[in-house]
Parts: sequence; C-alpha cells; structure tokens
Amino acid sequence: EAGVAQSPRYKIIEKRQSVAFWCNPISGHATLYWYQQILGQGPKLLIQFQNNGVVDDSQLPKDRFSAERLKGVDSTLKIQPAKLEDSAVYLCASSLDPRTTFEGFFGPGTRLTVL
Amino acid sequence: AQSVAQPEDQVNVAEGNPLTVKCTYSVSGNPYLFWYVQYPNRGLQFLLKYITGDNLVKGSYGFEAEFNKSQTSFHLKKPSALVSDSALYFCAVRDDGGATNKLIFGTGTLLAVQP
Repeated sequence: EAGVAQSPRYKIIEKRQSVAFWCNPISGHATLYWYQQILGQGPKLLIQFQNNGVVDDSQLPKDRFSAERLKGVDSTLKIQPAKLEDSAVYLCASSLDPRTTFEGFFGPGTRLTVL
Repeated sequence: AQSVAQPEDQVNVAEGNPLTVKCTYSVSGNPYLFWYVQYPNRGLQFLLKYITGDNLVKGSYGFEAEFNKSQTSFHLKKPSALVSDSALYFCAVRDDGGATNKLIFGTGTLLAVQP
C-alpha cells in the first residue's frame, strides 16, 4: 500500500512570497490533516478535512493560509504572503475513518524555509 | 482543554539497557493515546495506541506502553534498547469527548542510544 505523498520535499522562499504544498493521501482515506511542525515543537493541527469538507480549521491563520480538497482526494495548502515565522515542516496525514482507526498515517513532510 | 506533556527533552541510554520515555496527559473525557517516532528528515511513524482494554499496549519494533489512569501517564518502554532506536519520540492524545478527532502532540523527546 502506498503511503501519503507530499511535494515538494523542500522549499526556500523570501518573506512576502507565496508557496503551495501538495498532498496525496492513502487511497480510500476520507480524512486528511495538515500539521505544522516548528523546530523543537510537536506538530500542530492546521486543518482537518472529512472528504472535501472542513471539520476543523480553528488553528489555521486564515489571513494568510488557505487549504482545499476539492475532489475529496488530494489537497493543497497555500501560504500567501509568507512570514519568517512560517518556517517549519508541513506534514500531511490521512486516516481511513477516525471514528474507528484513530491514528493518522503521515507523509514525509515539506520543509519550508522563509528568508 | 486537552494537553500532553513530555517532561524530558532528551533521554540517554546505553544499548541493551531498558528505556523509558515519559508522557502525561490531560483530557476531559476518556483519552485515546498514541506514540509516534520521527527519524531525521522523515515523517511521523505510528508506533502504538491505547484506546481501551488492557493497560499494557504492545507496538512496533518491540516497543510497549503502559496506560495508568490514576497517574494520567502513558510511558513508552522497551526492554532492550538498540542504537537504531535513536530518534525523536512524540506522545499524542485525543479526547473521545472532543468535537473533532484531532491529535494533540507533546513537544517530543529525543532518544539517544549509545553503543
């Protein structure tokens, strides 16, 4: 079974630029999560999708971050404009049915550096 | 609000010795508890979970964890450490009474196993 795919793996941009990350979850997984992991901290949930609907985006900085999952499969996370404090690893995860399986399966992450 | 604490930033252990990585939690309802491991430049890998049932949970790579409700702890253990176990370990919790099924992660504990 293929795992969660993410691209790019690394991205370096200057502040005020925009950037987009892509995630393809495990086939059949209805739930998709985007986490932000700042160096020295644990991952923090940014947004959770159930199919193509948003379940939780309470910690998403909506003035600059946006995410979509139009067809209920892959997803994109966008930052516009980026700030220095957005430097982090962005992790995508998916789960089959969080009511029964609970744990998420994580992709390798995208490491973003904002200069 | 639910939270997770990992009191040790780093744990050092000699190869062949038993290891323990500590985790305590706080939730309003019944906890769902998880351990993940993160190797350099890799995503999070699921190790084990406690949902209900036996307090001693066995997981991948010989790891186990013991759920202690009275002490609100879920410490990760392994009888004999390997150098290859050296990595960053995250404890996470989900509240079964929560409105969403998001995981709250601790800050991580770096495990260093010396040969």
